[in-house]
Amino acid sequence: SQQGEEDPQALSIQEGENATMNCSYKTSINNLQWYRQNSGRGLVHLILIRSNEREKHSGRLRVTLDTSKKSSSLLITASRAADTASYFCATDATPSGTYKYIFGTGTRLKVLA
Amino acid sequence: NAGVTQTPKFQVLKTGQSMTLQCAQDMNHEYMSWYRQDPGMGLRLIHYSVGAGITDQGEVPNGYNVSRSTTEDFPLRLLSAAPSQTSVYFCASSYSMGVNEQYFGPGTRLTVT
Repeated sequence: SQQGEEDPQALSIQEGENATMNCSYKTSINNLQWYRQNSGRGLVHLILIRSNEREKHSGRLRVTLDTSKKSSSLLITASRAADTASYFCATDATPSGTYKYIFGTGTRLKVLA
Repeated sequence: NAGVTQTPKFQVLKTGQSMTLQCAQDMNHEYMSWYRQDPGMGLRLIHYSVGAGITDQGEVPNGYNVSRSTTEDFPLRLLSAAPSQTSVYFCASSYSMGVNEQYFGPGTRLTVT
């Protein structure tokens, strides 16, 4: 079963707009990570947020984490055509000592020029 | 650094054949893992390793074997290929089994007929 579920499944926006995607998960976590995957390529790490953090920034990316709601959001500001990709959240939902990262189903983002 | 490399890039097998997908990393990472990616399913963890000589099962281990004789290499063996194993396979590594980002290889696209 999937630990993480991204929402929406697909998102289409105009260049310059902001894109927000959400990830919900089921069990307590140690950390949550966001990855980007361009078509036909491997995943690239974007940002990691630990369970005791609420918000983190990296360039045009802002990630929030609400452990009480078991959810996270990824905001991409001032989107560019190059941001077109699939975005995945990954969580380590296992007891401490093992780190099995479970990925969500992804959000497909299309940024129109 | 080459990062994480995977061979082959593409492979077609007949049902019942066996093969090994190769994965290597040159970053001296302790943690390595194998995922499969199917449409609409996100990435699912097959097996992982927290160091040479240590492996463990992920979400979908059936039909696959792994071994980790060196830090650098983490091959995935398909024992008797089935059409249900048609997928894209990704190998990933990270510095340790702690809270670290994973580096992904470019993937192997496998078709079983």
